Order: sequence, then structure tokens, then C-alpha cells
Amino acid sequence: QKEVEQDPGPLSVPEGAIVSLNCTYSNSAFQYFMWYRQYSRKGPELLMYTYSSGNKEDGRFTAQVDKSSKYISLFIRDSQPSDSATYLCAMSASSGGGADGLTFGKGTHLIIQP
Amino acid sequence: GVTQSPTHLIKTRGQQVTLRCSSQSGHNTVSWYQQALGQGPQFIFQYYREEENGRGNFPPRFSGLQFPNDSSELNVNALELDDSALYLCASSFQGGQPQHFGDGTRLSIL
Repeated sequence: QKEVEQDPGPLSVPEGAIVSLNCTYSNSAFQYFMWYRQYSRKGPELLMYTYSSGNKEDGRFTAQVDKSSKYISLFIRDSQPSDSATYLCAMSASSGGGADGLTFGKGTHLIIQP
Repeated sequence: GVTQSPTHLIKTRGQQVTLRCSSQSGHNTVSWYQQALGQGPQFIFQYYREEENGRGNFPPRFSGLQFPNDSSELNVNALELDDSALYLCASSFQGGQPQHFGDGTRLSIL
């Protein structure tokens, strides 16, 4: 079993829909959780950064962390074609990655249909 | 931001390669990751104040350097076909901030 599981998709939804992306993990030491967006031929771009359990909202994006279930989610409201990209979840036991670095999921390929 | 060079590199099996990264100004920690096609990035190692302070499951032929001027290098010796991947550099400030990535160097091994 991988440390972080993420459905690779592709996930295709119509423009304006609410998108739900998820990751599960097995390492209970993880306390810092991130979502990155990666466009083709580009590096990962940080979208959300959260510590421990709870919700965090930033514009159209909402990140949720449930440490008891070892489950994290990213919601995108009013999805746009420009949101089409690969979304990577990442997590670590220490802030900034620490000596163990970030552990990533495989990424979910999201397609927003105009 | 974080800048990496070159953007694309082609090498043959057995050769050596050096990839370069310029960290975001003020960041004192740099990490390197390998991202194979269709996979998430895998942690190679991290440097803090010019010392390696963490390594993932990569052999010693992967080595690095961090310099005082916000620049760093990833060196790979005895290249293998499986080393073909996107190599990402990420910088952060030790003590609570997330990592920010460059656009990577795509390395192809023939």
C-alpha cells in the first residue's frame, strides 16, 4: 500500500460544476497538507497549505483535512476551463517538508469542459 | 521565484549530469524531487545551510550542493535509462513555510 493514494482520473466535468478531489494516506505522523496544481510542462504551483484537521478557504478553493479518517479533500467551486490541470496532494510530518521531504499522491488529471 | 536550468537535457547511459536551481530570495532550504511521467514527485534530498539534512530512497550517485548565493546543484553520475524524468527544485524558509517549485529540468536518457 502506498503512503498516499490519489485517483489519477481523468476526471471530466462541465464548466461551472463543483469539483471534489481527494487523497487518503496511511502515515499518522503527517500534520501538514498541501494541494498543488500542475499544468503540462510546468512545475507544481501551491494552491492550499493547511496544518492539522479543519477547513481552509481561498476564493473558489476549499481544502478539508480529516486526520481521524486520514482523508483530505480539495473543492473547486464554479470551475473554469483554466482549472484544467493535474492536481497533486502532498503532505509531511514537518513544516516545509522537513528532512523527509514532501510525500505526494500520483495526481488527478482534471478536465473542465466548456 | 524558483528558476531551473536547463529546461531540457538529453544524455546517454553512463554519462554524468549537473542540473541547476536558483532559489527564491531569502529561502534557506532547497529540496530536489524526481517526477516520472504520470507520477507524483519523489523526494531525492534536502539541503539546509549548505548541508544535506534529509534524503529519500535514492542511491549515492545522486548528490547535491547548496551555495550561499541562493543557488544549488543536483548531480547524477552513471546515468541509467530509468533516470529519465522531470527534476524539480523547491525552496522554502526553514521553520514553517511551504515549498515553492520551479518548472523543472526534463532529463532524457538515450
